[in-house]
Amino acid sequence: GQNIDQPTEMTATEGAIVQINCTYQTSGFNGLFWYQQHAGEAPTFLSYNVLDGLEEKGRFSSFLSRSKGYSYLLLKELQMKDSASYLCAVPSGTYKYIFGTGTRLKVLA
Amino acid sequence: SAVISQKPSRDICQRGTSLTIQCQVDSQVTMMFWYRQQPGQSLTLIATANQGSEATYESGFVIDKFPISRPNLTFSTLTVSNMSPEDSSIYLCSVEDGNPGNTIYFGEGSWLTVV
Repeated sequence: GQNIDQPTEMTATEGAIVQINCTYQTSGFNGLFWYQQHAGEAPTFLSYNVLDGLEEKGRFSSFLSRSKGYSYLLLKELQMKDSASYLCAVPSGTYKYIFGTGTRLKVLA
Repeated sequence: SAVISQKPSRDICQRGTSLTIQCQVDSQVTMMFWYRQQPGQSLTLIATANQGSEATYESGFVIDKFPISRPNLTFSTLTVSNMSPEDSSIYLCSVEDGNPGNTIYFGEGSWLTVV
């Protein structure tokens, strides 16, 4: 079957580094996406990985291992505004995507 | 990326009524998608709307409950019919941009509360 697993909740301190993991099972693979969703808002696109390795984009980086069905989102120099849910998603067939339930990150002062 | 506008952004609806959500994109797109996000849940695809043909519904969603229109390449509507409290949710319009990959971009969402 097709499935995505993420931790439900994480807490970290302002200025710290946090890693949010995502494991997935799909019948094929056509990339993995990370989205950020602040409470009361729609998801916004953060990153896309289709090849193994680390993609860095400012304070946010995303890693992919296709052989392990594993990805993580790395957030550095955490800020209070990073408190949000982070959703992992993979395409599942034509024009279909499976979304994880999201990891709710709380950044503490 | 495409700019996607939705309205209403929020509404409180009476049980048994219907509400139509509008989605406008600033560029022509082939496919538009409607998602639902119930409280504390992740996103679930309701249907895919292709201009000039009937929408394709996912398992668990039917046209009588969620009729969709797609009159042109920049606009779509989703109606939530005969609402019940279980329909209280965020409804999101989205499109694929293809940059990068087949990234989905979302509208601002429509927060519906059914009382």
